[in-house]
Amino acid sequence: DAGVIQSPRHEVTEMGQEVTLRCKPISGHNSLFWYRQTMMRGLELLIYFNNNVPIDDSGMPEDRFSAKMPNASFSTLKIQPSEPRDSAVYFCASSLRTGTYEQYFGPGTRLTVT
Amino acid sequence: GENVEQHPSTLSVQEGDSAVIKCTYSDSASNYFPWYKQELGKRPQLIIDIRSNVGEKKDQRIAVTLNKTAKHFSLHITETQPEDSAVYFCAASTGAGGFKTIFGAGTRLFVKA
Repeated sequence: DAGVIQSPRHEVTEMGQEVTLRCKPISGHNSLFWYRQTMMRGLELLIYFNNNVPIDDSGMPEDRFSAKMPNASFSTLKIQPSEPRDSAVYFCASSLRTGTYEQYFGPGTRLTVT
Repeated sequence: GENVEQHPSTLSVQEGDSAVIKCTYSDSASNYFPWYKQELGKRPQLIIDIRSNVGEKKDQRIAVTLNKTAKHFSLHITETQPEDSAVYFCAASTGAGGFKTIFGAGTRLFVKA
């Protein structure tokens, strides 16, 4: 298995632009998580899905952030409009809800908003 | 909601010494406690986990202990090696991997050769 796939790996954009981050979970996994990592705030859970349904989005910082999971093999995190304080590494992780509980993280997307 | 506190934020040890990282959690419903290791520029990876029905778990040089009454759990690394240098995160979850997981702030471990 290729593991969790994220794209792009790096994104540099100007303030006010729309940013879309993409994630392909491990095949067969039924839970998907989006995290944001910064030096100041550490690893923050933004939102997670079970069986493609958003369960908890209380970590989404503002209405500028939105996430979707249209099917079991794809999810997006969108920021519109982006701001410099959104600069961070965004990780997607997937797991099974039964059996092994490990969350497998993708390589992350490093976002820089200038 | 759940809150996880982790200490210390930075830990420096001599190669061969032991390292201990401690975490506390607030939600008594939490029953799954994983530990992740993140090397510089890499993704977090699970190194060990413990469920609430177990008080201790070992895997070679690493061990975790859990005290549910006090709501704290710890990571112990023995015979540390330079390759153990990384950031370690504890986390707490109310269920299996598909449930909300809250991470501690991380501990940066330096192992000096």
